[in-house]
Amino acid sequence: NAGVMQNPRHLVRRRGQEARLRCSPMKGHSHVYWYRQLPEEGLKFMVYLQKENIIDESGMPKERFSAEFPKEGPSILRIQQVVRGDSAAYFCASSPSTRSNEQFFGPGTRLTVL
Amino acid sequence: DQQVKQNSPSLSVQEGRISILNCDYTNSMFDYFLWYKKYPAEGPTFLISISSIKDKNEDGRFTVFLNKSAKHLSLHIVPSQPGDSAVYFCAARQSSASKIIFGSGTRLSIRP
Repeated sequence: NAGVMQNPRHLVRRRGQEARLRCSPMKGHSHVYWYRQLPEEGLKFMVYLQKENIIDESGMPKERFSAEFPKEGPSILRIQQVVRGDSAAYFCASSPSTRSNEQFFGPGTRLTVL
Repeated sequence: DQQVKQNSPSLSVQEGRISILNCDYTNSMFDYFLWYKKYPAEGPTFLISISSIKDKNEDGRFTVFLNKSAKHLSLHIVPSQPGDSAVYFCAARQSSASKIIFGSGTRLSIRP
């Protein structure tokens, strides 16, 4: 019973390039959440998606960031024209329903912007 | 605006003794509280939780206490073991909202 899968685990980009982070939720989970952790800080909520719908994007930066969770395939967090401040660990979590209080996290993608 | 605060960035405890990690929150709308454990280069792992209708929840060596009037919760680990060395995040949510609000974490080190 595989847990939440994220890839790549490490991603290096130069300033101005695009970063694509992928997340496959646990089997049976249709709710996906993205969080970002800056160095020495806690995790900060970014966006919550269900299949084909963005439910809450209150934590997403207004520009350059977007997320999707298509009917088929993984959820994608996309960062356009990356800057050094985007360097962080990005974690995906999933849950089976909105009534579920626990969220189960993947191993994260560590993005480094040179 | 930090709604969940962990004021101790680090804690060192001798093996076998009790570890107590503290957490304060400001939002009275939170009705569910969680503790996550995180090892380096891994994602957070759910540890234990408590609903606001309770004041204590116990699971093996782990007990979480909630004091709603003080907006304070704590995680007790007894006896502490070397494998408990990790960063512990306190977190909270409202049932009506999807997101979990995390504290900044406490790094627990268990010394022999």
